[in-house]
Amino acid sequence: EIVLTQSPGTLSLSPGERATLSCRASQSVSSSLAWYQQKPGQAPRLLIYGASSRATGIPDRFSGSGSGTDFTLTISRLEPEDFAVYYCQQYGSSRALTFGGGTKVEIK
Amino acid sequence: QVQLVESGGGVVQPGRSLRLSCAASGFTFNSYGMHWVRQAPGKGLDWVAVISYDGSNKYYADSVKGRFTISRDNSKNTLYLQMNSLRAEDTAVYYCAKVHGDYVTFRYFDYWGQGTLVTVSS
Repeated sequence: EIVLTQSPGTLSLSPGERATLSCRASQSVSSSLAWYQQKPGQAPRLLIYGASSRATGIPDRFSGSGSGTDFTLTISRLEPEDFAVYYCQQYGSSRALTFGGGTKVEIK
Repeated sequence: QVQLVESGGGVVQPGRSLRLSCAASGFTFNSYGMHWVRQAPGKGLDWVAVISYDGSNKYYADSVKGRFTISRDNSKNTLYLQMNSLRAEDTAVYYCAKVHGDYVTFRYFDYWGQGTLVTVSS
């Protein structure tokens, strides 16, 4: 099973600041990595797929980078609606999917 | 528009069974792989199982293998999860999710249902 480790667990920032979230895989997943945003009481929403491609309707302040085992989600300038929990997910395996443990972006 | 609506959750005693359903609409259901993902209260996302577009391939997380069975009825546009021998640690919101891209089994999810809560407790 491919294990995804997200860091930090919690990120305390102010609106307008830059957020940098990390996701590390226990083995290479090439570019088969997605990022989701989840707000309380809601289902996750797809932000990024293929490590760096934005999903439909996602603002360009969200960007993804990386390949192999190290990935980054960057939010260039935090808006009030961006405070949420973010998960990475790998789909490089042909028999199982895995999610990272999540990073909570909270208002400082 | 794509809609996924889960049902069947509730409170169940340990060791008992429950069947979840996910009614799909707004897309060609029989062309897409479908997954179940769960989330325990206050915890992260946990992949449970997947079924290919035609039902010929199924894969499970180790934690549910041998206890849960995923299935689909393409004539009814419905996905199922039969959960047997339930344990307290199976308590979670269960989401069904649609894979992006037709005839693909493992990929990212472009649509999720709203979830149904399963509580395993005596």
